[in-house]
Amino acid sequence: AQKVTQAQTEISVVEKEDVTLDCVYETRDTTYYLFWYKQPPSGELVFLIRRNSFDEQNEISGRYSWNFQKSTSSFNFTITASQVVDSAVYFCALSEARNNNDMRFGAGTRLTVKP
Amino acid sequence: NAGVMQNPRHLVRRRGQEARLRCSPMKGHSHVYWYRQLPEEGLKFMVYLQKENIIDESGMPKERFSAEFPKEGPSILRIQQVVRGDSAAYFCASSLAGGLTYNEQFFGPGTRLTVL
Repeated sequence: AQKVTQAQTEISVVEKEDVTLDCVYETRDTTYYLFWYKQPPSGELVFLIRRNSFDEQNEISGRYSWNFQKSTSSFNFTITASQVVDSAVYFCALSEARNNNDMRFGAGTRLTVKP
Repeated sequence: NAGVMQNPRHLVRRRGQEARLRCSPMKGHSHVYWYRQLPEEGLKFMVYLQKENIIDESGMPKERFSAEFPKEGPSILRIQQVVRGDSAAYFCASSLAGGLTYNEQFFGPGTRLTVL
């Protein structure tokens, strides 16, 4: 069965520090999709990235970068030079191709960036 | 093109009352998904519907919860005789298609249900 683990419940950093949010997943499917979402205090879900299982290329978008490692079943998310506005709960999620109706979310990591 | 719309954004009910949550999918989307987020937890899948059909309700509690997606109008998630444990954020998502073909789910802003 598919499963997503975000071992870090809460992380607190000081502005301008780099921070990495961990995500480890389990799936028996060979084709799957991984996601990161941001949930700011206002509560909505903000889509950040989707990765499919055949594309292990790391991605950088501004201060955000993602490291996808199939060998360790991890899809970690790094924020460089963090800012107070990055404070939010971040969710990693997995969707299997054979059952993509059911997205499995991790429990989330609450990131607090202090000025 | 408006995104997924959910209303109300906040709903307060007393124990024993009924809660009705509405979701209007993105234009052109015929597949709707409901997720529940309990406090301090991630989202959990509840049900997947196409127009007039429930495709997968494996995540839906067996009692008091029901969902529909009629031919016309929004999808409705109904919770009868609410209890305090139903207090959560309920998110709706929609996609262009579903099943074996991957289609991205777009999420609405959520409805926050508080049961007093």
